[in-house]
Amino acid sequence: VQLQESGPGLVRPSETLSLTCSVSGGSISSYYWTWIRQPPGKALEWIGHVFYSGNTNYNPSLKSRVSVSVDTSKNQFSLKLASVTAADTAVYFCASQVVGADDAFDSWGQGTLVRVSS
Amino acid sequence: SYVLTQPPSVSVAPGQTATITCGGNNIGGKSVHWYQQRPGQAPVVVVSDDNDRPSGIPERFSGSNSGNTAALTISRVEVGDEADYYCQVWDVSSEHIIFGGGTKLSVL
Repeated sequence: VQLQESGPGLVRPSETLSLTCSVSGGSISSYYWTWIRQPPGKALEWIGHVFYSGNTNYNPSLKSRVSVSVDTSKNQFSLKLASVTAADTAVYFCASQVVGADDAFDSWGQGTLVRVSS
Repeated sequence: SYVLTQPPSVSVAPGQTATITCGGNNIGGKSVHWYQQRPGQAPVVVVSDDNDRPSGIPERFSGSNSGNTAALTISRVEVGDEADYYCQVWDVSSEHIIFGGGTKLSVL
């Protein structure tokens, strides 16, 4: 499976960050699809994931602002993060696991840098 | 919430063995995955499910997990192994993915 993130590289403070991950080489109609981010010079942070059926789980620290959804017709899944601040500036990765939520992430997108600035 | 603790840095000479630890409450009861991340690149899994090596990963990489500590061991360290390493688990009680804080491996 190959993954590719797309979306704006610059978002204004208080606006909504929106990214899409396109899946190729496999069907999105299986398993979990995940968003992970990494602020500059910092550690990886799990944002949340969506099961192909639409069920979701989110990082508690972001839960009030985040939404992850899947579009099986387009073989894509998406991230929306509302009310962004400078602290949301990060490289955002989409990733998928071998089978289940306890498996390793075996496929990653290349990552896309999103800056929050006015 | 579940927390994974890694040392910020580990230094080793070429040819020696590097051990990177990942501490967590009863982590031995969870499956631990390890990722290598080079600057500007996406992470790559080097050990999965405590001690399985994905295809293409050298045998020099191995893992262990027991009690409150998991470990990634890199034998015969090479300059090319210099990178950041992260441990990761699935916390079934909260249904959340947890990453450790990362360890920078320096090959001196």
